[in-house]
Amino acid sequence: NAGVTQTPKFQVLKTGQSMTLQCAQDMNHEYMSWYRQDPGMGLRLIHYSVGAGITDQGEVPNGYNVSRSTTEDFPLRLLSAAPSQTSVYFCASSLWTDPETQYFGPGTRLLVL
Amino acid sequence: AQKITQTQPGMFVQEKEAVTLDCTYDTSDQSYGLFWYKQPSSGEMIFLIYQGSYDEQNATEGRYSLNFQKARKSANLVISASQLGDSAMYFCAMREIGTGNQFYFGTGTSLTVIP
Repeated sequence: NAGVTQTPKFQVLKTGQSMTLQCAQDMNHEYMSWYRQDPGMGLRLIHYSVGAGITDQGEVPNGYNVSRSTTEDFPLRLLSAAPSQTSVYFCASSLWTDPETQYFGPGTRLLVL
Repeated sequence: AQKITQTQPGMFVQEKEAVTLDCTYDTSDQSYGLFWYKQPSSGEMIFLIYQGSYDEQNATEGRYSLNFQKARKSANLVISASQLGDSAMYFCAMREIGTGNQFYFGTGTSLTVIP
């Protein structure tokens, strides 16, 4: 049981490049979400999903796309990276029936030059 | 308006003393959940404690307790008998169950435990 895994751990991009941050969980959790954490701020919700085929926008969705084709995977796509997207990205998952225990991945540190 | 407000950017506490970290929230939902997370310098997010809006008793988990005052919309975290390993950032968060299960986090409080 690996929990929530994220790859890569660290990435440097140039402005305008695209990339996908990977997130996977092996706990059969319905609910998965992506957050970004900027210095001096808490986590802000980007997108979330309540099950395969269902996604919705969070607080700061602009510039990001998601899809949920399987229960296990919830990739986050940056369409055209901007310096304002430099941040630490966390993926999280939980059971629909046990939302109070939300498991977080280790994070991906992204630097956009 | 901020959904979660943590007004203490930094706090210091003597080892073995108790400390209270403040959190106020803003929601019009009747059904919501309140969380506290710990983030040590290593960066991972660690779940500490949860309080549901309909729970009448304050939540407790070991040395952590959540002082839930619904009318005041506050959800303060109390850490008893502080330990050096408690030094970390602490985030208060809220899940609005009635509006699509979005989570909102506060800006955090940095706690330093002094030996």
